[in-house]
Amino acid sequence: GENVEQHPSTLSVQEGDSAVIKCTYSDSASNYFPWYKQELGKGPQLIIDIRSNVGEKKDQRIAVTLNKTAKHFSLHITETQPEDSAVYFCAAKEGNTPLVFGKGTRLSVIA
Amino acid sequence: ETGVTQSPTHLIKTRGQQVTLRCSSQSGHNTVSWYQQALGQGPQFIFQYYREEENGRGNFPPRFSGLQFPNYSSELNVNALELDDSALYLCAAQRGLAGNNEQFFGPGTRLTVL
Repeated sequence: GENVEQHPSTLSVQEGDSAVIKCTYSDSASNYFPWYKQELGKGPQLIIDIRSNVGEKKDQRIAVTLNKTAKHFSLHITETQPEDSAVYFCAAKEGNTPLVFGKGTRLSVIA
Repeated sequence: ETGVTQSPTHLIKTRGQQVTLRCSSQSGHNTVSWYQQALGQGPQFIFQYYREEENGRGNFPPRFSGLQFPNYSSELNVNALELDDSALYLCAAQRGLAGNNEQFFGPGTRLTVL
């Protein structure tokens, strides 16, 4: 089955700097890669996703890149703000199979 | 907000007891998935319900069971609770079964087993 590895487990950045979180996956058939943000006391919330027919997707300060050959994808947050502080999860799936999540990255943005 | 609600928010049980967790979502979100999130880990898929039938199951024993009702609300039941069942239980609702339909997560139920 699918296995998703996520790095780093914790990340601290100064406000205004960029943050990058990386994930690798094992199943080459996976074709959908969402990223979730989980704030304290809340469930995960989808912030951006990418499908396997696309190499990069951007939404304001957030971007995701996908390298299918290497089986890795990354989340990029630019101009970080204190409200970006949260736990971020990557996930992967193929078709109607269940989402497989990474273990999460705790991002702290220091004002 | 996601339109997905879960109850109760917190729950404390002892080993061997049984627990029922509940999830409801806005109209049209007819597929419900349940996840277990241990402390410091990502959510792990338990099972999914569609049209009141189980539609896929993760690596969880039969003492984890579920129901979905005609209004799409759902229950997760866990029998013979074990200490390792302590976790945040999340439900996620989506429209239909398409693999890349967005899943909307509820805030979760924090279960502590003593």
